[in-house]
Amino acid sequence: DTAVSQTPKYLVTQMGNDKSIKCEQNLGHDTMYWYKQDSKKFLKIMFSYNNKELIINETVPNRFSPKSPDKAHLNLHINSLELGDSAVYFCASSAGRVNTEAFFGQGTRLTVV
Amino acid sequence: GENVEQHPSTLSVQEGDSAVIKCTYSDSASNYFPWYKQELGKRPQLIIDIRSNVGEKKDQRIAVTLNKTAKHFSLHITETQPEDSAVYFCAASTMQGAQKLVFGQGTRLTINP
Repeated sequence: DTAVSQTPKYLVTQMGNDKSIKCEQNLGHDTMYWYKQDSKKFLKIMFSYNNKELIINETVPNRFSPKSPDKAHLNLHINSLELGDSAVYFCASSAGRVNTEAFFGQGTRLTVV
Repeated sequence: GENVEQHPSTLSVQEGDSAVIKCTYSDSASNYFPWYKQELGKRPQLIIDIRSNVGEKKDQRIAVTLNKTAKHFSLHITETQPEDSAVYFCAASTMQGAQKLVFGQGTRLTINP
């Protein structure tokens, strides 16, 4: 049973397109995140949701819009894709408003051409 | 905000030797320090963590030490094995309504047989 699953695993698209990445967790966690890992492997938080409420919103272009329909799902929609958006995007979840282990999805490798 | 510096960026050791990775953090409010291992093409996975009320923690061949005064923490891997080859990330966590993990830049560890 996959704890945090995200789809698709690979996404190749042209500049200017709009795309979405979906994430689901079956751990019963309250908090979900999106992280971006660039070509140098640097992991940076983008957004954090707790019980469908946006808690953390880092300095991310507003072309990126997260949506959490319920606490088990957190999707990421990206408008007007740019070359610099190419990266691996990881969804993660953790138990709640405490410091504890974050469980990561398998990642979505986005390539913008 | 929190800033985490990690060194070295690459580390190569002979199988059976020890490996040490060091991190420093800037925010004295950080109170949770996990270490993640990321194998090639895989998701980051927690290998050990430590909280600010503890100075050292050990799990078989892996240990982590924390010096709150100096704001640095280290990962120690003893009796290294080829399967220890991976990228290792340290992180520091604060609570800002939700857990916010700030990662170091990563260390690519290579174990030479």
